[in-house]
Amino acid sequence: EAQVTQNPRYLITVTGKKLTVTCSQNMNHEYMSWYRQDPGLGLRQIYYSMNVEVTDKGDVPEGYKVSRKEKRNFPLILESPSPNQTSLYFCASSFSVQGGLFFGEGSRLTVL
Amino acid sequence: GENVEQHPSTLSVQEGDSAVIKCTYSDSASNYFPWYKQELGKRPQLIIDIRSNVGEKKDQRIAVTLNKTAKHFSLHITETQPEDSAVYFCAASSNILTGGGNKLTFGTGTQLKVEL
Repeated sequence: EAQVTQNPRYLITVTGKKLTVTCSQNMNHEYMSWYRQDPGLGLRQIYYSMNVEVTDKGDVPEGYKVSRKEKRNFPLILESPSPNQTSLYFCASSFSVQGGLFFGEGSRLTVL
Repeated sequence: GENVEQHPSTLSVQEGDSAVIKCTYSDSASNYFPWYKQELGKRPQLIIDIRSNVGEKKDQRIAVTLNKTAKHFSLHITETQPEDSAVYFCAASSNILTGGGNKLTFGTGTQLKVEL
């Protein structure tokens, strides 16, 4: 079954405690991306990757890091989380930036 | 960079009526315009997309129109049903072939409610 898997699905953490949200896809997609969804602001792109070892900033990259060492995985790293990073995060993948995105189920993160 | 504006933010229609959601974009290099539907508590899912070489595209009860000159595109849902109730997002992207980047920029969403 084609899928994008994110973990954890829910997380409550405290300010400054490093965390990683994993994302894995089994469709051999080249393009992967992270979005955050906040009420009234829609989906805002954090980082994207065109292929292995190729990553670039989206519209709201501050406070986040990513890596793409393998084609299937695209983890999102919050080195020092802050309360303004409390959000619903979606990982997505597709064959290209102009192909239909497959979204993961989302990860709801709360930073206290 | 690209800026996508979406209207209205909420839309309520009676079952069987039509619904129209409109988006405008700013980057003339944008050439791909998808629409996503997000049901409550679920992930966004692609419902239809259109490329800049096409003015209109239909898929059963949904259609999308694109006006490149005016930089706007719209989603049309006919014969609405309760299961159409969801948040709908438009988006726009360009690519290096059109002189743009590789980002996909979303609008802020429209909450559609179909009432019985």
